[in-house]
Amino acid sequence: SQQGEEDPQALSIQEGENATMNCSYKTSINNLQWYRQNSGRGLVHLILIRSNEREKHSGRLRVTLDTSKKSSSLLITASRAADTASYFCATAKTGANNLFFGTGTRLTVIP
Amino acid sequence: SQTIHQWPATLVQPVGSPLSLECTVEGTSNPNLYWYRQAAGRGLQLLFYSVGIGQISSEVPQNLSASRPQDRQFILSSKKLLLSDSGFYLCAWSPQGFVKEKLFFGSGTQLSVL
Repeated sequence: SQQGEEDPQALSIQEGENATMNCSYKTSINNLQWYRQNSGRGLVHLILIRSNEREKHSGRLRVTLDTSKKSSSLLITASRAADTASYFCATAKTGANNLFFGTGTRLTVIP
Repeated sequence: SQTIHQWPATLVQPVGSPLSLECTVEGTSNPNLYWYRQAAGRGLQLLFYSVGIGQISSEVPQNLSASRPQDRQFILSSKKLLLSDSGFYLCAWSPQGFVKEKLFFGSGTQLSVL
């Protein structure tokens, strides 16, 4: 499969803790993106990291990319109850015209 | 600013009935348009994408079809629904020339085929 795979499938943490989600993929990519989905809603783009970048920050989000290991991680610092959602990685495969989404990590932040 | 509208939000249809889901984008011209399907607890499966009017690419063989009659309108159709067509359908767009960049999603349609 060309899809990314997120790990863990589900994560439950206390408010204020950090949450780390991982994504592995199988092919060479142009970029990797992370999206968030609240239950029953559409996805919202969080951050994009290109294949020549190793780390990127956006607010409380930190994304890393290791192309040699074909993996990425999303770190949410100082989590809030409002961060409760499913998080998906999406890879833009070299030569393809679309994004391939993983199966997601369901994050629950307990107040 | 750009907005994407997708309707209806929920739909219950009997097996064998037709389907038409509509998606429109405002505030941009010549967008790339996408239809995804999401099974319960799963990732997104790309069904169709379009880079221009009348240009439709299908990613998987299925009981569905897509059309783009206008620049900012994308329609997902079926002549006869199957039970396996149930799922959460999402429309999305990206700026022209950026087919693999940031996608903007609609709010989705939950389709139940009974």
